[in-house]
Amino acid sequence: GAVVSQHPSRVICKSGTSVKIECRSLDFQATTMFWYRQFPKKSLMLMATSNEGSKATYEQGVEKDKFLINHASLTLSTLTVTSAHPEDSSFYICSALATRVGELFFGEGSRLTVL
Amino acid sequence: GENVEQHPSTLSVQEGDSAVIKCTYSDSASNYFPWYKQELGKGPQLIIDIRSNVGEKKDQRIAVTLNKTAKHFSLHITETQPEDSAVYFCAASINTGTASKLTFGTGTRLQVTL
Repeated sequence: GAVVSQHPSRVICKSGTSVKIECRSLDFQATTMFWYRQFPKKSLMLMATSNEGSKATYEQGVEKDKFLINHASLTLSTLTVTSAHPEDSSFYICSALATRVGELFFGEGSRLTVL
Repeated sequence: GENVEQHPSTLSVQEGDSAVIKCTYSDSASNYFPWYKQELGKGPQLIIDIRSNVGEKKDQRIAVTLNKTAKHFSLHITETQPEDSAVYFCAASINTGTASKLTFGTGTRLQVTL
């Protein structure tokens, strides 16, 4: 099946710093990628839809200046958590839409811990 | 918007027994219903999906049924094995082929005991 790679898988940072998470579709092109946030023992909450070559669409309540999304190519989307605070600690997961088959494939997730 | 409810939140079965997880959705326009398995510390993996033009789909020990009239769909796992233990999420979306915004259920933690 299609592979989506997410990097880094784990990151620890200090409060006030910014962290970038990458999401790559390895064997298919994805014009649309999605970013989710998951709290412990909870479901996935959609944060934003990332479209190649255009601005991301954010869900209600998600600060676009806090969570910067860039989808510069058909195989790469990045999520940057700016000026991170402890409450931003979470599991961030991306998914990529394989348009040809109409299926979503998920990355392995990135666990962010802000000290 | 779409709302997906999932039951039960936890499910414990003995190895070899069947497990059934049920979901309901609210938006009658939804036409794509995937099921994901998530192991601890990992991203969700698609295990089976069904589209609204089909009532049932089976893949070895896993089957999914869809009742469009009642707006509910179910996951059936037969002959459960310890490696089936994980959190399972249902989801619903309007899959246009160019965008697929999934709404997830709340998850079911399945434990298969020996």
